Amino acid sequence: EVQLVETGGGLVQPGRSLKLSCVASGFTFSSYWMYWIRQAPGKGLEWVSSINTDGGSTYYPDSVKGRFTISRDNAENTVYLQMNSLRSEDTATYYCAKWALWNNYGFFDYWGQGVMVTVSS
Amino acid sequence: DIQMTQSPASLSASLGETVSIECLASEGISNDLAWYQQKSGKSPQLLIYAASRLQDGVPSRFSGSGSGTRYSLKISGMQPEDEADYFCQQSYKYPWTFGGGTKLELK
Repeated sequence: EVQLVETGGGLVQPGRSLKLSCVASGFTFSSYWMYWIRQAPGKGLEWVSSINTDGGSTYYPDSVKGRFTISRDNAENTVYLQMNSLRSEDTATYYCAKWALWNNYGFFDYWGQGVMVTVSS
Repeated sequence: DIQMTQSPASLSASLGETVSIECLASEGISNDLAWYQQKSGKSPQLLIYAASRLQDGVPSRFSGSGSGTRYSLKISGMQPEDEADYFCQQSYKYPWTFGGGTKLELK
């Protein structure tokens, strides 16, 4: 059974840092791209970062580029999200998600339970 | 970025009613579209990928269709457990983008 378990959320002041972790199980972690996706309270879904299988390539939207860093440890089946210089608009539930491909069509086939990050003074 | 416009933003349906949710992409996405269901307080779950392929374990009353820029999710026979938010997502061109969501309630 595939499981993705995020930890590390909490309340943090603006300008401070937080690091999220997502431990994966039930699949060959090192074979899949992994993503972080967030959802502000009562809002839609926003892609936050992605990382390829060996961690050598990472991608970010402009809204977090230069502040967030995604990384992974394939030996520990874990993907991380280091969030620096946090802003109030980063307040959201953060999900890690497994990326899957079928005939070159992509989709997120498994999601973690999510972890809440609140940025407030 | 490709914009994904979902409609309606909300709707209510009676038990057994057939429901359709639309997703319009700002440019053609060649069926590279997925649909997710998110129940209150839970994480999203994959329903449909490649526009029309049903994820394993998803009830057959869910179906997806469309082409080019227009796609739809149909629920043939609303059930109480279908009350949820629904999101579309394109993976044709980076960055992957999501629709704004449709809140479906049982009337």
